[in-house]
Amino acid sequence: DAGVIQSPRHEVTEMGQEVTLRCKPISGHDYLFWYRQTMMRGLELLIYFNNNVPIDDSGMPEDRFSAKMPNASFSTLKIQPSEPRDSAVYFCASSGRLAGNYNEQFFGPGTRLTVL
Amino acid sequence: DQQVKQNSPSLSVQEGRISILNCDYTNSMFDYFLWYKKYPAEGPTFLISISSIKDKNEDGRFTVFLNKSAKHLSLHIVPSQPGDSAVYFCAASARYGGSQGNLIFGKGTKLSVKP
Repeated sequence: DAGVIQSPRHEVTEMGQEVTLRCKPISGHDYLFWYRQTMMRGLELLIYFNNNVPIDDSGMPEDRFSAKMPNASFSTLKIQPSEPRDSAVYFCASSGRLAGNYNEQFFGPGTRLTVL
Repeated sequence: DQQVKQNSPSLSVQEGRISILNCDYTNSMFDYFLWYKKYPAEGPTFLISISSIKDKNEDGRFTVFLNKSAKHLSLHIVPSQPGDSAVYFCAASARYGGSQGNLIFGKGTKLSVKP
């Protein structure tokens, strides 16, 4: 299996622009997570889905952030409009019965976002 | 309010010696604990885990110890190798008391193993 795939790997944009991050989970996994990593806050959960349904979005910082999972193999995290403080590394992770344990999440390589 | 704390941001160890990474938690509902390892420009990868019904789990050079009364866990790496140099994240989950699959991460400890 190719693992969790994220795109783009790097994104540089200007303040006010819309940013869309993409994720393809491991086939067969039914949980998908979006995390953000910053120096100040570490690795924090933004939102997660189970069977394509958002379960907990309490970590989404503001209404500027939105996430969708239209099908089992694709999810997006959108920031509109973007601000410099959104600069961080965004990780997608998935888990499921195939992992043997729901708690063992498999992470993608991350998207490094820089908002100028 | 951090529910999972890794109080040492960094740790330096000589090759061949033992590395001990520590983690404290505050939520008594946590019943499953994991350690992840992260290299630069990569996502975290699962290393080892332990259920709250155990106090020790071993996998090769890696051993995790859990002290529930102290709400403390530690990861031991013996012997340490230069390839172990990475950031190590402690994570906890309340599988039965809350949202299944939701992991709470510490801020990580950067381990440097010197040849």
